Amino acid sequence: NLSLTQPHSVSESLGKTVTISCIRSSGSIDSSYVQWYQQRPGSFPTTVIYENNQRPSGVPPRFSGSVDSSSNSASLIISGLKTEDEADYYCQSYDTTSHWVFGGGTKLTVL
Amino acid sequence: EVQLVESGGGLVPPGGSLRLSCAASQFTFKNYEMHWVRQAPGKGLEWISYISTGGETVYYADSVKGRFTISRDNAKNSMYLQMTSLRADDTALYFCARLGYKNNFDFWGQGTLVTVSS
Repeated sequence: NLSLTQPHSVSESLGKTVTISCIRSSGSIDSSYVQWYQQRPGSFPTTVIYENNQRPSGVPPRFSGSVDSSSNSASLIISGLKTEDEADYYCQSYDTTSHWVFGGGTKLTVL
Repeated sequence: EVQLVESGGGLVPPGGSLRLSCAASQFTFKNYEMHWVRQAPGKGLEWISYISTGGETVYYADSVKGRFTISRDNAKNSMYLQMTSLRADDTALYFCARLGYKNNFDFWGQGTLVTVSS
């Protein structure tokens, strides 16, 4: 079964850049799009990146996404960190056996 | 604005049943594939079920297969999740989510809490 592995937590200082990884356990990372969701406490998730590297309208360009075939992983990069970026972030992808799969989530702390 | 409103959650004993509903509005419900996603207290998101636009195709996560049944009524702009043989580890906030045309879950409800406990 497909799994997506994320670090449990990351922290970085205000104004800096942080990268959150998402490693695909089986099948190629290129075989299905990766999405990233932000979830603040007590709220539902919202999309910050879809289709690997696309930003929905309203999401600032400080948020970007990439995939790396060599490490079979995807990354969410947030630059110019703000206190409002503090949240849980989830990657999500798909395969034909496990269907839609979320990563375990990463808690971002902005110092 | 697109709205998804879940209802039907509550406290149920182990082995019990519950039926969740998701009422959709402000979009053409019959044109969208829909999902249920849950989140146990303090835990991450877990996809649990999918239904195609017409309801002919459904998928389930292994954790709920054989116990949960997803359905929809396009005339009522609603989706349902019939849950049976509930276990303590089914305790979670259950979200309905719309699968957008850009491969992401683009709208979510606020969730309905299911607590399985004696």
